[in-house]
Amino acid sequence: AQKITQTQPGMFVQEKEAVTLDCTYDTSDPSYGLFWYKQPSSGEMIFLIYQGSYDQQNATEGRYSLNFQKARKSANLVISASQLGDSAMYFCAMREVSNAGNMLTFGGGTRLMVKP
Amino acid sequence: KAGVTQTPRYLIKTRGQQVTLSCSPISGHRSVSWYQQTPGQGLQFLFEYFSETQRNKGNFPGRFSGRQFSNSRSEMNVSTLELGDSALYLCASSLLAVDSYEQYFGPGTRLTVT
Repeated sequence: AQKITQTQPGMFVQEKEAVTLDCTYDTSDPSYGLFWYKQPSSGEMIFLIYQGSYDQQNATEGRYSLNFQKARKSANLVISASQLGDSAMYFCAMREVSNAGNMLTFGGGTRLMVKP
Repeated sequence: KAGVTQTPRYLIKTRGQQVTLSCSPISGHRSVSWYQQTPGQGLQFLFEYFSETQRNKGNFPGRFSGRQFSNSRSEMNVSTLELGDSALYLCASSLLAVDSYEQYFGPGTRLTVT
């Protein structure tokens, strides 16, 4: 079964508007972390935001916030005030703490296109 | 502080050849992970090294191997290359401390097998 599901292969958003990218996950590990990465066309993965499974509050980093709904196993990324430079692939990923080490499981990604 | 560096950035090889990719982590980071990214399979974990020991291995054939040196630099090797090995290979380094969870990725090595 897919551990990380991103159901939106592609999305358009108007510049300066907010956009939500969906991510659902599946794990039986009580301790896990959820990540969002941005991948521009250059290929490098850029860390955006992190949410731990025991964190009480939703994570925020500048224009990025993570809408964490633990019971629904969802971790949606919200980008406020979209900019043209936000056009990129976005990946949701999970690290299960029970796995010794630092392995990330990635979703299939969402391509975000910001329209001027 | 310098970021994660990967060499070479681009590589073209022929089927049956072997290839070695290199990754230098951020100074002080002891965990290095490797990922393969293809259009068909997406991002898949290859393996992780910590203090010169392989801690985790993904579901890849034995043709894929890696190692880590005492300075935390890591190499991955692919022997007997196949067309399907064409991919972007990403390396990530991490401090792997209790309160440090981020993995920092390098720019990747784009491998083309002809």
